[in-house]
Amino acid sequence: GAVVSQHPSRVICKSGTSVKIECRSLDFQATTMFWYRQFPKQSLMLMATSNEGSKATYEQGVEKDKFLINHASLTLSTLTVTSAHPEDSSFYICSAIQASGGDYNEQFFGPGTRLTVL
Amino acid sequence: AQKVTQAQTEISVVEKEDVTLDCVYETRDTTYYLFWYKQPPSGELVFLIRRNSFDEQNEISGRYSWNFQKSTSSFNSTITASQVVDSAVYFCALSEAGTGGFKTIFGAGTRLFVKA
Repeated sequence: GAVVSQHPSRVICKSGTSVKIECRSLDFQATTMFWYRQFPKQSLMLMATSNEGSKATYEQGVEKDKFLINHASLTLSTLTVTSAHPEDSSFYICSAIQASGGDYNEQFFGPGTRLTVL
Repeated sequence: AQKVTQAQTEISVVEKEDVTLDCVYETRDTTYYLFWYKQPPSGELVFLIRRNSFDEQNEISGRYSWNFQKSTSSFNSTITASQVVDSAVYFCALSEAGTGGFKTIFGAGTRLFVKA
């Protein structure tokens, strides 16, 4: 299957700093990418849908000014956690949609980025 | 609205036992997709299976089998002869075709412990 990478895999930062997480589709073009957040021992919660060349669509309760998403190319989406605080510490997972032209567009998940805010 | 319910929070079994993971879903769409993912301690999601709403045929892959029943809106997963390496969190997920981008909603997950 197709490969989605995330960088960095792990990041520790001080409270108040901003952190950028990259999500790349390595061998396919992804017009749509999704960002999920997973707190310890909890499920994956969809944060936003990222469409190439347009503004991201955020789920209810997700602060768009706090979690900036940029999908500037068909292979890269970035999530920036601005002014991070300890409560933002979580596992962030992206996924990318590979358009097939058929009824179903395969979704591939990245390996995740573990963010720890001190 | 979509919803996925995994009522079993944690299951503990002894190696070689069979174990069934329950999943019940809600959707108003007639076209949708159901998934099972495994999440080992490393955190990376491992895709196990995808089923579309028009295909109720049960499937077997190795020690995994899946039972899809639209009448009860259930999509259960069974692991036969469980092994310690099966210990992980298992997520059932639902994606509605109507969302265009195939937004996927996950259940709460079932944490499986397989003891030697």
